[in-house]
Formats: sequence, C-alpha cells, structure tokens
Amino acid sequence: SYELTQPPSVSVSPGQTARITCSGDALPKQYAYWYQQKPGQAPVLVIYKDSERPSGIPERFSGSSSGTTVTLTISGVQAEDEADYYCQSADSSGTYRVVFGGGTKLTVL
Amino acid sequence: EVQLVESGGGLVQPGGSLRLSCAASGFTFSSYWMSWVRQAPGKGLEWVANIKQDGSEKYYVDSVKGRFTISRDNAKNSLYLQMNSLRAEDTAVYYCARDPFEYSSSYFDYWGQGTLVTVSS
Repeated sequence: SYELTQPPSVSVSPGQTARITCSGDALPKQYAYWYQQKPGQAPVLVIYKDSERPSGIPERFSGSSSGTTVTLTISGVQAEDEADYYCQSADSSGTYRVVFGGGTKLTVL
Repeated sequence: EVQLVESGGGLVQPGGSLRLSCAASGFTFSSYWMSWVRQAPGKGLEWVANIKQDGSEKYYVDSVKGRFTISRDNAKNSLYLQMNSLRAEDTAVYYCARDPFEYSSSYFDYWGQGTLVTVSS
C-alpha cells in the first residue's frame, strides 16, 4: 500500500525556520496537503495543492515540492505553532484513496 | 460560517454496530464530496471513506471495506457512517470533513470537532 513518510519530530527555537518533509513515490503526480493539529483540536488545513495557502493562514506557512518530497516551511516560528503536522496526498492508481503521513511533532524550544 | 457537527459516538462491544451522523451548515452541502477521517488515541490521522456529491461513488480504506457504509442525505444536509462488526482497532475519534475533491484528489478544508467511538467489552 502507498505510504507517505514524515520525520517523527522537529525542534526549533522561536524566530527560526522549521522545515517538515514528506516523501512518497506518487508525489510527483499528486498534490500534497498539510494539516496542523493542536492537542484536543480538529486538524486545520494550512497548505493545499503543494503550495497554496488557505485564507486566514499566516504567511509564515509555505509549501514546496521537489520530486518525491514535499516540504512545509514555517518561517519565524512562534510558540503557537507548536503542534502535530500531517501531510496528505492520494494514491496515484486512480482509486481515489487518501493517504496521510504519520505526522511530525513540531516543538518550539 | 461552515459548521460540521458529528454525533452518535459512544461505547460499543466488539461485533456491535454504531451509526455516526454529521450535520452540515453554512455551505451548499450537495455541492461537495464528504469524508470521514479517524484518529485512534495517541495516533495519526487515517482516512476512512468518502462519498461523491450525489452518493453515486463511494470509496473506503481497505480495513473497513464490507463493514462500514458511508451515505448522505442532501435534503437534510447530513452525512452518515454506518459501522458494523466493530473491532477494538476501530476505537478512535471520527471526524466529518468537507472535501473539495479537486484534480481527482480528496483533501479536507473544514473539519468537525469529532465524535469518540470506543469498542470494548
């Protein structure tokens, strides 16, 4: 079955740049999406179609894609950005099945 | 304002059944695919199922195929998940999510707050 691979954890100091990667064989053919989830809350979409930012999401959140890896970048990290981040994409076999990465815990030191 | 409110969760014995509901408001429900996504305690997100605007297409994760059924009632702006033959590994918070389904791919731009399903004897 298709998998997306994320690092379990990333740590940065306030004001620095955090980069969270997500790897998957189908990513060159399928868009990637990113969600932020804080404890006890529902996920929130922060990036769609690899690099688009929904309205209301701060500009410090950005996304990029290169080959089989997509990256969520948070510039000027703030304490409130501490959360779990999940990438998501689709199986490229045409089955419309959705796949999530395992999630990355972002810790703001 | 888009709102998705899940209900129907609770404690059920292994082998039992439960029906989840999701009441949608603040958007034209019949214009969107909809999905169920679950999260086991302390674990990551797992997509469960999705359904096309008119209910004519439905897709499931392999682990629930044949046990769960997704459905919708556009007249009532409601999404459902009928869960049968429940197992301990189905224990999770179940989220209802709006799915713009663009470029032949699902993604989720609005989520409900979730309803907890616990499968235990």
